[in-house]
Amino acid sequence: AQKITQTQPGMFVQEKEAVTLDCTYDTSDPSYGLFWYKQPSSGEMIFLIYQGSYDQQNATEGRYSLNFQKARKSANLVISASQLGDSAMYFCATLGGSEKLVFGKGTKLTVNP
Amino acid sequence: KAGVTQTPRYLIKTRGQQVTLSCSPISGHRSVSWYQQTPGQGLQFLFEYFSETQRNKGNFPGRFSGRQFSNSRSEMNVSTLELGDSALYLCASSLDGTDYNEQFFGPGTRLTVL
Repeated sequence: AQKITQTQPGMFVQEKEAVTLDCTYDTSDPSYGLFWYKQPSSGEMIFLIYQGSYDQQNATEGRYSLNFQKARKSANLVISASQLGDSAMYFCATLGGSEKLVFGKGTKLTVNP
Repeated sequence: KAGVTQTPRYLIKTRGQQVTLSCSPISGHRSVSWYQQTPGQGLQFLFEYFSETQRNKGNFPGRFSGRQFSNSRSEMNVSTLELGDSALYLCASSLDGTDYNEQFFGPGTRLTVL
């Protein structure tokens, strides 16, 4: 069974600075995907970025990048140039052979002006 | 293009009652997945429907059920409500359920059981 661990319940960052949100995963599937979602206080889950286990390069989407270290089983999210609107819950998730998303407990990010 | 809609947005029920939640996917999407989010357990997969058939199911008791209609709209039902069923219920739609890059979530239904 897959498992996602997010060890940071809360993180604080100053506006315009970069922040890294940690995610480690455990899976026995040879092929898997890793996802990051953002959940504002409104409740809707917003897809941010995806990394496939066989992708050679780290995924990037605008200000979001994923620091994928396969040997360490980590998939950290890096947000560059933080904005006030980035304040939200962030969830790491994995998808393996079960074809269902397994989420971590999440990290609450607060961006200070 | 309209996003995923969920109704109602908020719901208050008492123990023992039953409840039905609705999810309308993005037009053209045939896969609908349901998730339960609680502070204690986090986000947990309930089930997935594709073309009116349940294709995947999470580890929830039989009190949780769902269905999908021919227009891809989906409903989930919880019978004999318990206090622990208080949660945010999220649904997500995608074209066929295999491309999670294109899975879009609705705003959720917040259920409170008293």
